[in-house]
Amino acid sequence: QKEVEQNSGPLSVPEGAIASLNCTYSDRGSQSFFWYRQYSGKSPELIMSIYSNGDKEDGRFTAQLNKASQYVSLLIRDSQPSDSATYLCAVTEGYQKVTFGTGTKLQVIP
Amino acid sequence: GAVVSQHPSWVICKSGTSVKIECRSLDFQATTMFWYRQFPKQSLMLMATSNEGSKATYEQGVEKDKFLINHASLTLSTLTVTSAHPEDSSFYICSARGSGRSSYEQYFGPGTRLTVT
Repeated sequence: QKEVEQNSGPLSVPEGAIASLNCTYSDRGSQSFFWYRQYSGKSPELIMSIYSNGDKEDGRFTAQLNKASQYVSLLIRDSQPSDSATYLCAVTEGYQKVTFGTGTKLQVIP
Repeated sequence: GAVVSQHPSWVICKSGTSVKIECRSLDFQATTMFWYRQFPKQSLMLMATSNEGSKATYEQGVEKDKFLINHASLTLSTLTVTSAHPEDSSFYICSARGSGRSSYEQYFGPGTRLTVT
């Protein structure tokens, strides 16, 4: 059974701070890693994808991947109240179906 | 790019009737489409995976005769909830994965909220 683990939160950070979201996965064969943002009552939105070890930056978002530790994280710099949402970590091997974590709820306090 | 639409965005139907939900990839060819269901404050639950021109693969516990999936073209998949009952009321979300450079990425439609009375 492939598993993706996330702390359910809520993770509360003050506005302007860095939010750090973490995810671990069980399948060592995993090759593709994604972060989705889901606002309450809405569908998930892809915000980052990462395929190789290291950091990938896109605006205020940085995804970090460490395959040896089976760990992927998402950093959100200068957090804004509009970043308050549930963040889903997702993992897949090749073209197999994606395994989603249960999500971490982020609250950015003004 | 990578836009997925769903129609309708919400629907109310009476118990025992059938409802069809459409999922379209608007700017890419979706070789694979996925159907999820999400109950309030719960995680996404994958219902089935469909490849264009092939029969859908259903997850364990999902009744294939109740949730009919058709992926007739590279841009359209439909989910029909047959003989709907109040316990089928949920948020149904499709996603699509295409070919090309970002073929591992999966993009979600906006979802369809189904209420069965």
